[in-house]
Order: sequence, then structure tokens, then C-alpha cells
Amino acid sequence: AQSVTQLDSHVSVSEGTPVLLRCNYSSSYSPSLFWYVQHPNKGLQLLLKYTSAATLVKGINGFEAEFKKSETSFHLTKPSAHMSDAAEYFCVVSPQGNYGQNFVFGPGTRLSVLP
Amino acid sequence: EAGVTQFPSHSVIEKGQTVTLRCDPISGHDNLYWYRRVMGKEIKFLLHFVKESKQDESGMPNNRFLAERTGGTYSTLKVQPAELEDSGVYFCASSPLGWTDTQYFGPGTRLTVL
Repeated sequence: AQSVTQLDSHVSVSEGTPVLLRCNYSSSYSPSLFWYVQHPNKGLQLLLKYTSAATLVKGINGFEAEFKKSETSFHLTKPSAHMSDAAEYFCVVSPQGNYGQNFVFGPGTRLSVLP
Repeated sequence: EAGVTQFPSHSVIEKGQTVTLRCDPISGHDNLYWYRRVMGKEIKFLLHFVKESKQDESGMPNNRFLAERTGGTYSTLKVQPAELEDSGVYFCASSPLGWTDTQYFGPGTRLTVL
């Protein structure tokens, strides 16, 4: 069985300050892990993914995440927040090389960026 | 390349009515998934097609929901009769067959049942 916990339902940061969105997972398999972002009235966009290569994964728009197996974590970070980063972020787990198995989503973290 | 498209973007119906949601996957993607997010809760898996066949429908909530994928192209999700608790956002995603794990999502259909 797999599950995802996103420890913060809402995170608020000032523009130009670092962003940290936390994600912990539970998986019976070696997982693939993803971060997706949903801007208002838009679809889910893939930010980055981990699939057993480098543990530090770089994504789009300056985001990165580090896979820590010992902590079962996959936290999302960005050095400097931009107003356009305001959105909802979802951590997702799937069996590695899942051959089409379904995703398990975390509850989401809403990021607000203050001017 | 066009992404996953969903129609309609919004639907408002009354309890007891029927609604049909449509998803057009990325061309050539044989995997097609339906998910939904109800009342601000987690996005939950509903079902998975491989081409025209249902691979996994373990997430379908009850027999009021019927999904089809004729010819292995677009898919429809019919809710009949709709209940209040069916309100939410229904997402469709697609991916190619084989060694792949990334799913590409559509914008979703927001369903409101009054």
C-alpha cells in the first residue's frame, strides 16, 4: 500500500524568500515520486520526478526536490519565491516503473506568495 | 502537440440528472486514467484504461458511474443519476504504454450537483 502526507495544508512566504513544501511517503515498493502544481483554473503540471536516478532532482521554474529514503521524504524547495509560484502543489507516489499503475496523491499544499 | 483535453470545463446539474464528461488523451497514449477531487480532499484514482479495456476500476465509487473508451481514443465518464456528493473536479490523464511513469493531466471538469 502507498500513501502520501503533505505536512502543511497552506504555506505562506514573502517574494524572494525560500520555499519549502514537505512531503513524506509510504510505499511497499521502490517508489517513483512526483511533484505536480495546479495554478488556478489550470490543469496539473509536472514540476519534477524522481525515478531512482539522482536523489536531488531539478525541475522546472527553479524548483528541486531531494529524495531521502531513510526519512521517506521528498521535500520540494526553491531558493527564491516568485509571485507566479502561488498555486497548489501535490506530492504523488507511484510504484517505480509502474507500467501504468495509478497515482496516489497527497492532500496538497497551497502556497501563497506575499509581495 | 496537443495536451489532454476535457469537456466541459464546468457542469452544473440538479440531483438526479445525468452528466457525461469527456476526455481526449494525448494522441498515441494508450493509458488513460480518471481521477477526481471531491470537496477539497485528496485527488483519488477512479479507473484506468489500456486502449479500450478497463485495466483497473477499483476506484469507481458505485454503479452510478460508467466509463467507456470506444476505439481506444477518447473516453467518457457518465454519472447517472448524479448525487450531491458527486460534486468535485474530475481529472483525466494519459500516458504512453511501456516503461513510463509520467502521467499528463487535463485541466479537469468541475461538476456541481445542486
